[in-house]
Amino acid sequence: GAGVSQSPRYKVAKRGQDVALRCDPISGHVSLFWYQQALGQGPEFLTYFQNEAQLDKSGLPSDRFFAERPEGSVSTLKIQRTQQEDSAVYLCASRPGGNTEAFFGQGTRLTVV
Amino acid sequence: GESVGLHLPTLSVQEGDNSIINCAYSNSASDYFIWYKQESGKGPQFIIDIRSNMDKRQGQRVTVLLNKTVKHLSLQIAATQPGDSAVYFCAENLHQGGKLIFGQGTELSVKP
Repeated sequence: GAGVSQSPRYKVAKRGQDVALRCDPISGHVSLFWYQQALGQGPEFLTYFQNEAQLDKSGLPSDRFFAERPEGSVSTLKIQRTQQEDSAVYLCASRPGGNTEAFFGQGTRLTVV
Repeated sequence: GESVGLHLPTLSVQEGDNSIINCAYSNSASDYFIWYKQESGKGPQFIIDIRSNMDKRQGQRVTVLLNKTVKHLSLQIAATQPGDSAVYFCAENLHQGGKLIFGQGTELSVKP
């Protein structure tokens, strides 16, 4: 079966540009997470959905970051007016629900120039 | 602005030796823990998990130990192989089904 799929794999954006990163979770998975991973560091939590409800967005670094999951499956992370400090790998993960392992996608490497 | 890079702790072992990777977690209320392996350019990959009502769990070549008294987790890899070279992260789950909080990570290097 297919795992978590993220697109694009790589994105180069000019500073000030808006970007949209897509995550296709494993079919039927209730929970979906977005993480930001800077070079040499562990993944940092951004936001979490249970079905279409965004239950926790405490990790979003600013109001330039916005995530949605309107139908409880595919999710999009949008970053407006990108800054150089936004350069990182953005990871998406999904899990069936409850205390189970979270399955990660390959990530989108965002470089802001 | 200036960027500060963090240098991951590194563990270097000889092929065939056993490896032990340690992790301190932050919240005594966490009830579920996972070890992930991350290779360069890839997302984290599940290795093994353990619930807070256990203190040891074994998988294939891997064992996780949990010490709730001192909030410490360890991953033991038996007969380490070159393919085990990667960065290893522990993650804790504070609320059932909620977000995973990741530790800093340890880079394991296996010498043939």
